[in-house]
Amino acid sequence: DTAVSQTPKYLVTQMGNDKSIKCEQNLGHDTMYWYKQDSKKFLKIMFSYNNKELIINETVPNRFSPKSPDKAHLNLHINSLELGDSAVYFCASSPGTYNEQFFGPGTRLTVL
Amino acid sequence: AQSVTQPDIHITVSEGASLELRCNYSYGATPYLFWYVQSPGQGLQLLLKYFSGDTLVQGIKGFEAEFKRSQSSFNLRKPSVHWSDAAEYFCAVAPYNNNDMRFGAGTRLTVKP
Repeated sequence: DTAVSQTPKYLVTQMGNDKSIKCEQNLGHDTMYWYKQDSKKFLKIMFSYNNKELIINETVPNRFSPKSPDKAHLNLHINSLELGDSAVYFCASSPGTYNEQFFGPGTRLTVL
Repeated sequence: AQSVTQPDIHITVSEGASLELRCNYSYGATPYLFWYVQSPGQGLQLLLKYFSGDTLVQGIKGFEAEFKRSQSSFNLRKPSVHWSDAAEYFCAVAPYNNNDMRFGAGTRLTVKP
């Protein structure tokens, strides 16, 4: 059973399009996250959600918006895609503070 | 400024040799410390973590790490590397709680046969 899953695994799209990446965790965790990993493997946290409340919102463009329909899901919507958005996006979840995060397999987004 | 530093971008070791990956942090207080491994095309997997107590922590896959407060370091070690250990390794710190986890730039490990 997959603990943290993401769909799609690969996403290729044109500049200016709007796209979404879905994330689901079946671990019963309270907190979920989105990270961006650039071409140099640098990981940067974008958002975290705890019980449907946004906890962290790093300096991410407002074209990116997280949506959490319930505790098990945290989707990432991206509007007006730009070339610089090309990266691998990871979803993660955590049972709460002071615990490790469990990562999904990643979604490789390529903007042409 | 708060930071996590992994000084080695790329390390190559021979199979069976010992390994040490360095991690230094700069925070006001002792943070929570983690090591993650990322195999090619995969997500991140936790190897080990340090919150408090014994400064030598054991993890999965034969890895261990030692927290040294005086050096603000949390180096990862393995006595004998296997070819399957080739991957990207990330040190991470959470200064106050897990929601603010920061990752180092990663160290890519290559294992020679």
